[in-house]
Amino acid sequence: GAGVSQSPRYKVAKRGQDVALRCDPISGHVSLFWYQQALGQGPEFLTYFQNEAQLDKSGLPSDRFFAERPEGSVSTLKIQRTQQEDSAVYLCASSLSSQETQYFGPGTRLLVL
Amino acid sequence: QKEVEQNSGPLSVPEGAIASLNCTYSDRGSQSFFWYRQYSGKSPELIMFIYSNGDKEDGRFTAQLNKASQYVSLLIRDSQPSDSATYLCAVKGDSSYKLIFGSGTRLLVRP
Repeated sequence: GAGVSQSPRYKVAKRGQDVALRCDPISGHVSLFWYQQALGQGPEFLTYFQNEAQLDKSGLPSDRFFAERPEGSVSTLKIQRTQQEDSAVYLCASSLSSQETQYFGPGTRLLVL
Repeated sequence: QKEVEQNSGPLSVPEGAIASLNCTYSDRGSQSFFWYRQYSGKSPELIMFIYSNGDKEDGRFTAQLNKASQYVSLLIRDSQPSDSATYLCAVKGDSSYKLIFGSGTRLLVRP
């Protein structure tokens, strides 16, 4: 079956621009996670959804970051007024349940100029 | 101190050798331990997970866990050039859902 997909794969934004990153989890996966991976670092947790409920957003770096999963499937991570420090790879992962193995998508590489 | 520590490397080994990758973690409540492989420009791919003290083998890979020492390792036997990648160690607490990653160790297998 299809894995986790993300779009766009690459995004170049001017500082101050808003961006939206999309994640399509594996069908039937209840849990969805967003991670941010800076160059040379491991992924860092941003937020977690169980179905449509956002149960943990403690990793979101600022109130410019917003995530949603309105129908419990596709999720969107939105970054408002992008800053250079937002440049990173944004990884989405999904799992059957919160305790099961997380499968990662290919990521969206965001570059803010 | 970071929650999960790894030597950034690169760890360079000749083809056919055993590569040993190490990871320490600070939270004694951690219950699940994972090794992900990440090729340059690609997403992390799960290699192995381990929950109990001791060794767990899967093909050329062996994960070792010592909770008393808060130490987990990954051994890769008969290393191949295709094993050249960054290896990420990740941990989860009991009843936790989020993965806490180390910064990764870059492995280079020389032909």
